Amino acid sequence: AQSVAQPEDQVNVAEGNPLTVKCTYSVSGNPYLFWYVQYPNRGLQFLLKYITGDNLVKGSYGFEAEFNKSQTSFHLKKPSALVSDSALYFCAVRAGGATNKLIFGTGTLLAVQP
Amino acid sequence: NAGVMQNPRHLVRRRGQEARLRCSPMKGHSHVYWYRQLPEEGLKFMVYLQKENIIDESGMPKERFSAEFPKEGPSILRIQQVVRGDSAAYFCASSPQDFEGNIQYFGAGTRLSVL
Repeated sequence: AQSVAQPEDQVNVAEGNPLTVKCTYSVSGNPYLFWYVQYPNRGLQFLLKYITGDNLVKGSYGFEAEFNKSQTSFHLKKPSALVSDSALYFCAVRAGGATNKLIFGTGTLLAVQP
Repeated sequence: NAGVMQNPRHLVRRRGQEARLRCSPMKGHSHVYWYRQLPEEGLKFMVYLQKENIIDESGMPKERFSAEFPKEGPSILRIQQVVRGDSAAYFCASSPQDFEGNIQYFGAGTRLSVL
């Protein structure tokens, strides 16, 4: 069965430092992977996706993610964190088959300290 | 281009009442998805619809919940005889067509509180 794991409930990082939010997945077939961000009392905003091609995917707001097939990981990264990056981040994988439904991880709260 | 519109943003119901949640997809989008987010949890898929068709309802509770996406008008998620456990944020997303890599764009959600 398809699944997504975000092993860290919370990640703390100082402003200006690099950040990584971890995600591993389990899916049959080719993975279609997504990262979304959720600010308090808001919906999810799309950050980036991996479908095929380069393992390093660049997205919105300076974020990027590295797809690693052998480790079944899709970690979200940013070279220099901003306080405004503080939010809840979700990794998701398309379930596969005839449906487009997304399977979400449990989310990682990113806290960037000034 | 307006985003995915959900209304109401907040809905309060007493146990036993009905809740109707509405979702208007982005212009040009014909695919709608409903997800539920329980407190302190991630999003869980409920149902996937195209115009006048339910494609995947594997995440819908068997009783009290129903969804539709008519030819005209918004998609409706209907919860009959609500119970306290239905209290959650319900998010709608839309995408333009049936392609595996399509991005789902989310609305701001409806927060249902059952008293």
